[in-house]
Amino acid sequence: DAKTTQPTSMDCAEGRAANLPCNHSTISGNEYVYWYRQIHSQGPQYIIHGLKNNETNEMASLIITEDRKSSTLILPHATLRDTAVYYCIVRVRIDFGNEKLTFGTGTRLTIIP
Amino acid sequence: GAVVSQHPSWVICKSGTSVKIECRSLDFQATTMFWYRQFPKQSLMLMATSNEGSKATYEQGVEKDKFLINHASLTLSTLTVTSAHPEDSSFYICSARDPPSLSYNEQFFGPGTRLTVL
Repeated sequence: DAKTTQPTSMDCAEGRAANLPCNHSTISGNEYVYWYRQIHSQGPQYIIHGLKNNETNEMASLIITEDRKSSTLILPHATLRDTAVYYCIVRVRIDFGNEKLTFGTGTRLTIIP
Repeated sequence: GAVVSQHPSWVICKSGTSVKIECRSLDFQATTMFWYRQFPKQSLMLMATSNEGSKATYEQGVEKDKFLINHASLTLSTLTVTSAHPEDSSFYICSARDPPSLSYNEQFFGPGTRLTVL
């Protein structure tokens, strides 16, 4: 699986959009970009994933650059409950078989009142 | 949505004792479950992959005789930390592969179990 690089920490004002970047310059054509987050002392929570098109769901938007070497997770209106560590993971999507997720160090996002 | 539970949520034990942690998929059947370990201020590290009805696959460096995994049914996997020592104190998290009908997610995570070995 391709390696990802994320900033160690970020702050964002409550109510503003939080933009979390992720670099994955060695991503392969069949690898997806996944985002999970982990609130303190809880298990990770799936947020969103994408291959090459931008994706949006009720939690967030995922913007993937045209060359797919980087992506940005956008939380449109951050709340205090969005304070968490956000993990960007790049991996091949296989419905049956090797389904391991490799977590990096992630970005610690702090939402400031 | 798919829910994964863990029991207990926290446990304190004496050094040398064994501790069993349960991971259950509450509303779906999980043929594959995963066990992770997370030390303070560190990321999650995969320990092993648990497959229903077969032996678990352990990651490099994880002692299979110390961390016993049993996946006897499609909704339950257990992790037993045998002869626990203070260095085994950690946050243990399981996840379950979602059913094919909900394949947008791939893995649902439990809330974690905090183990403290005195």
